[in-house]
Amino acid sequence: GQNIDQPTEMTATEGAIVQINCTYQTSGFNGLFWYQQHAGEAPTFLSYNVLDGLEEKGRFSSFLSRSKGYSYLLLKELQMKDSASYLCAVRDLGYGGYNKLIFGAGTRLAVHP
Amino acid sequence: SQTIHQWPATLVQPVGSPLSLECTVEGTSNPNLYWYRQAAGRGLQLLFYSVGIGQISSEVPQNLSASRPQDRQFILSSKKLLLSDSGFYLCAWSVYGREAGGELFFGEGSRLTVL
Repeated sequence: GQNIDQPTEMTATEGAIVQINCTYQTSGFNGLFWYQQHAGEAPTFLSYNVLDGLEEKGRFSSFLSRSKGYSYLLLKELQMKDSASYLCAVRDLGYGGYNKLIFGAGTRLAVHP
Repeated sequence: SQTIHQWPATLVQPVGSPLSLECTVEGTSNPNLYWYRQAAGRGLQLLFYSVGIGQISSEVPQNLSASRPQDRQFILSSKKLLLSDSGFYLCAWSVYGREAGGELFFGEGSRLTVL
């Protein structure tokens, strides 16, 4: 089976740091993605981890621990425009060995002044 | 550069009516194609994916179907819509191959309301 868990909602203050956690249990694993989705829009790619450790990209960083089935997305120097849903997605093996992405329900982040 | 388009952007349909959503990709060949659905306040649910013309894999049982008549065209259909079919439908593509299913590039989305 496949199970991806992340908090439903979070709030934070402009300029602060927020960490969004994601835990997963999947039948196969070949990488973990984070996507950002503003209300009413399509998701956009933020980060990808396939090996354990931290990947940094500007204000956003993503961490992965495969042994623990755990990842987090770290957002620094929060801005109002960071208010959005953040989706954790695991690349799993589909039929015939082709990879596919399985998404969690997403975490709605509200950034306040 | 690659682009993906889907239409219509919004539609309101009565229960029992048919549905056709279309998606096309430009600037790449032999992509993997996907249909996802997102119910209000929920995550993305994978409905169908395709690794080639005429090759469709269904992820969940439902009254929807998908077809891929051309390499870069993906269509989502229903003969009779249900209220539960309401949602935000997203088409996506990724690079073909065993390493595919990696970074997904999404279309603009189609918001369907079934009344």
